[in-house]
Amino acid sequence: AQSVSQHNHHVILSEAASLELGCNYSYGGTVNLFWYVQYPGQHLQLLLKYFSGDPLVKGIKGFEAEFIKSKFSFNLRKPSVQWSDTAEYFCAGVFKAAGNKLTFGGGTRVLVKP
Amino acid sequence: ETGVTQSPTHLIKTRGQQVTLRCSSQSGHNTVSWYQQALGQGPQFIFQYYREEENGRGNFPPRFSGLQFPNYSSELNVNALELDDSALYLCASSTGGRADTQYFGPGTRLTVL
Repeated sequence: AQSVSQHNHHVILSEAASLELGCNYSYGGTVNLFWYVQYPGQHLQLLLKYFSGDPLVKGIKGFEAEFIKSKFSFNLRKPSVQWSDTAEYFCAGVFKAAGNKLTFGGGTRVLVKP
Repeated sequence: ETGVTQSPTHLIKTRGQQVTLRCSSQSGHNTVSWYQQALGQGPQFIFQYYREEENGRGNFPPRFSGLQFPNYSSELNVNALELDDSALYLCASSTGGRADTQYFGPGTRLTVL
């Protein structure tokens, strides 16, 4: 069955540090990939998405992600985090064989210390 | 443009009861998907409705059922509630294509005692 996994459950870092969150998926066919963010007390919001084309995708708030097909990965990066980036981050995929449903990873809680 | 809205915000029920959760899709969207997010986990797909028909279902028992109305709003019904049904229930709307973005509502927090 198709799945998405996120390597880190919790990440703690200081402001201005760089952030990289890992995401891997299990599926050999066509996949659309997403990163969603859930700020404290708010609903899930889309950060960025990959459908096709340039594997380096830029999203909102300075985030970017790189799709590496050979590694089945879609890691999220931000060069310099701010306290306001404290949130839970979810990687998700839509797999061609599974219709239009989103399959989510378990999430990574990121705490940015001021 | 109105976003996805859900009601109620919070709900407390006891085991064996039934519950109905509601979702209004974003303007221009004809597809609604429902997800269950247990504490500390990622959302799990329950089912999707496209133009009033069920269009895919996850690994949830039949006591989880739904409806979509002509205005594309939707309901999630859960019968015979169990303690493990306690979770955040998320609704997402989209225009229905596979290569499409789903936009989420704030969720309904259900607690089953």
